[in-house]
Amino acid sequence: KQEVTQIPAALSVPEGENLVLNCSFTDSAIYNLQWFRQDPGKGLTSLLLIQSSQREQTSGRLNASLDKSSGRSTLYIAASQPGDSATYLCAALSSNDYKLSFGAGTTVTVRA
Amino acid sequence: DAGVTQSPTHLIKTRGQQVTLRCSPKSGHDTVSWYQQALGQGPQFIFQYYEEEERQRGNFPDRFSGHQFPNYSSELNVNALLLGDSALYLCASSLTGFEQYFGPGTRLTVT
Repeated sequence: KQEVTQIPAALSVPEGENLVLNCSFTDSAIYNLQWFRQDPGKGLTSLLLIQSSQREQTSGRLNASLDKSSGRSTLYIAASQPGDSATYLCAALSSNDYKLSFGAGTTVTVRA
Repeated sequence: DAGVTQSPTHLIKTRGQQVTLRCSPKSGHDTVSWYQQALGQGPQFIFQYYEEEERQRGNFPDRFSGHQFPNYSSELNVNALLLGDSALYLCASSLTGFEQYFGPGTRLTVT
């Protein structure tokens, strides 16, 4: 059974600082790994998807890396802004059963 | 493109009642998955529908059932509601199950 862990559970940084969010997974048999953003009480917004054959993906200030062999992914957010305050979730899609397994998320607060 | 839509937005039910939640997938998507997200936790996979059949199921009791219609929309039914069923229910659509797009969710409160 896939287990996805996100550390830390919460993070508070001053505006302008770079953010590093970590995600680890126990089963390397994945099709892809997705990073999502969730605002309080809302649905999930997909930020980046990394296919299992890729090492990283970039979109604007966001960069995500994937090391499938070690079961790790990292989301980098450059020059953080107060609008980046949200919970960030990573999820791994199993190549065995198409199930998407989520971590519990990292709640980010960017202080102005 | 309207994206994934869910109804209703909020729902309050009493313990023991039954509830039906609805989801319309993003245009062109054929697969719908349902997730339960308790407060402070990540979403948990309930089941996935493809071609009107349940393709995969997570670790949820039979009180949770679903349906997919020919237009790919889907329903999640929960019978004999428990207090612990209070959560945000998320629907996601995809093309054959890969990159998933999520709806805004339905907040279910069981009293």
